[in-house]
Amino acid sequence: SAVISQKPSRDICQRGTSLTIQCQVDSQVTMMFWYRQQPGQSLTLIATANQGSEATYESGFVIDKFPISRPNLTFSTLTVSNMSPEDSSIYLCSVRDRGGYEQYFGPGTRLTVT
Amino acid sequence: SQQGEEDPQALSIQEGENATMNCSYKTSINNLQWYRQNSGRGLVHLILIRSNEREKHSGRLRVTLDTSKKSSSLLITASRAADTASYFCATDVDYKLSFGAGTTVTVRA
Repeated sequence: SAVISQKPSRDICQRGTSLTIQCQVDSQVTMMFWYRQQPGQSLTLIATANQGSEATYESGFVIDKFPISRPNLTFSTLTVSNMSPEDSSIYLCSVRDRGGYEQYFGPGTRLTVT
Repeated sequence: SQQGEEDPQALSIQEGENATMNCSYKTSINNLQWYRQNSGRGLVHLILIRSNEREKHSGRLRVTLDTSKKSSSLLITASRAADTASYFCATDVDYKLSFGAGTTVTVRA
């Protein structure tokens, strides 16, 4: 299974600022995903980030608020822009294995916006 | 959008007992994956069951899938304190996972 790391593991940010979260995978993967888990809630897909193409955003998420980069097959970033307290969540990076079946998750970035 | 729904929402059992949780969904799926999450950390992948499979085992875990009823179950046998966690099912359609609300399992010593 893929080993995924995320930076930072947690952060406390002020309203109106932006935070960029990094996701590093120990092997080359085609499909990467970003999820959000709001406090006490389940996971919601933000966007799919495949290398070589623009990220595809789910309903309710827009590129201006959550810009994503995918420069190569092992790395991606998610930026949470112009943050408000409602953005306080755990953000998780996720990848599909090479066969395209099992999906693995990183340890998450716990973001608190004050 | 959330497609899978787990039942029960919470479960408290004694160490050594079995824990069963169910997942229902609404549309056809390619696969269904089960995950564990400890105290708001990252998700640990437990089992993937394909739509053409009916049962799968991994250690103390047993997963069933009934596509006619659009439901799946996860059984944890001989539970341990370390099994205390939230468990999520995720329906897998066209490489997109949709998660249910999860079942919180507490294993009492």
